[in-house]
Amino acid sequence: QKEVEQNSGPLSVPEGAIASLNCTYSDRVSQSFFWYRQYSGKSPELIMSIYSNGDKEDGRFTAQLNKASQYVSLLIRDSQPSDSATYLCAVGVYNQGGKLIFGQGTELSVKP
Amino acid sequence: KAGVTQTPRYLIKTRGQQVTLSCSPISGHRSVSWYQQTPGQGLQFLFEYFSETQRNKGNFPGRFSGRQFSNSRSEMNVSTLELGDSALYLCASSHQTGVDEQYFGPGTRLTVT
Repeated sequence: QKEVEQNSGPLSVPEGAIASLNCTYSDRVSQSFFWYRQYSGKSPELIMSIYSNGDKEDGRFTAQLNKASQYVSLLIRDSQPSDSATYLCAVGVYNQGGKLIFGQGTELSVKP
Repeated sequence: KAGVTQTPRYLIKTRGQQVTLSCSPISGHRSVSWYQQTPGQGLQFLFEYFSETQRNKGNFPGRFSGRQFSNSRSEMNVSTLELGDSALYLCASSHQTGVDEQYFGPGTRLTVT
């Protein structure tokens, strides 16, 4: 079992719809959770961080965390063609400094 | 505030050679992490440095090494390059630990021929 798993893409949604991206993780001592967006040929860009159970909203983005189910998700409301990118889920595991473990990413395509 | 910078941006090397990549973190950030990104393996953690000390290391052979300087700038070195080392090498900086929010540099694209 992979440490961080994301639903396999590509995910295609029409412009204006809600895009839902999911991620599960295996390490129960994971402390921090992040969503990164990566455009083709670019480096990952941090878009959301969440540390405690519940929802966290930032503009059109909402991150949801459920530590009991070891599940984190990202909702993108009113999806725009500019949201088309690969979304990476990352889980922080603290061990003498810590590291982020990344999922394989979900490719999102928003169709005009 | 300036972002994370990496040099060089692109590099072509021959098998057996060695390479050194450089990373300057965001001002005030003391933790620097390195990752390798390939289409097949995704983003994989290489190592994390804080105050010139390597605190964490990923599952990579000893050919991969790094260091951090007193100004938090970091370098990574790959010796005896193999074709499979062709990848995007990303540096990320954070305030204190490798589980804080990490901000990535543009990366160094290494091609080994």
